[in-house]
Amino acid sequence: DAKTTQPPSMDCAEGRAANLPCNHSTISGNEYVYWYRQIHSQGPQYIIHGLKNNETNEMASLIITEDRKSSTLILPHATLRDTAVYYCIVRRIGNTPLVFGKGTRLSVIA
Amino acid sequence: GAVVSQHPSWVICKSGTSVKIECRSLDFQATTMFWYRQFPKQSLMLMATSNEGSKATYEQGVEKDKFLINHASLTLSTLTVTSAHPEDSSFYICSAGPAGEETQYFGPGTRLLVL
Repeated sequence: DAKTTQPPSMDCAEGRAANLPCNHSTISGNEYVYWYRQIHSQGPQYIIHGLKNNETNEMASLIITEDRKSSTLILPHATLRDTAVYYCIVRRIGNTPLVFGKGTRLSVIA
Repeated sequence: GAVVSQHPSWVICKSGTSVKIECRSLDFQATTMFWYRQFPKQSLMLMATSNEGSKATYEQGVEKDKFLINHASLTLSTLTVTSAHPEDSSFYICSAGPAGEETQYFGPGTRLLVL
């Protein structure tokens, strides 16, 4: 699976949009981009995933560049409960595991 | 989304004893489940792939005789840490995904402390 690069940490003011970048320049055509987050001492929580089109759900939006070499996760109105480590992962579809990098520690500040 | 549970949520045991951790898919069947462990301030590390009705496959460096995996049904996989030692103390997490879906869902994790 392709590797991803994320900044180690970011801060965001409560109520503002949090934009978390991810580079995945070696992504293959059959690999999806997944985002998960892990709040302290809990199992990872699925957020969103996409192949090449932008995606939106009740939690977040995922913007994937046209060349698919990078993406951005957008939390439109960050709250204190969004403080977590966010993982960007590329993965082939099917019964394949998720391979976690170090992620981005997002701190939402009041 | 689909729900994955784990039991127990935390366990404390003495060195040398064995501990069994259960991972269940509550509202779907899973022919494959994955086991991870996470040490403090580190990311999740894949330990093994649990396959229903067949042997588990282990990642390099994970001792299969120490971490026994049994996937006896389509909704249950168990991880047994045999002869646990303090260095096995960690956060153990499983994941599974419904057939035909593209997403893996994670259990809440089991925190193991070996004294």
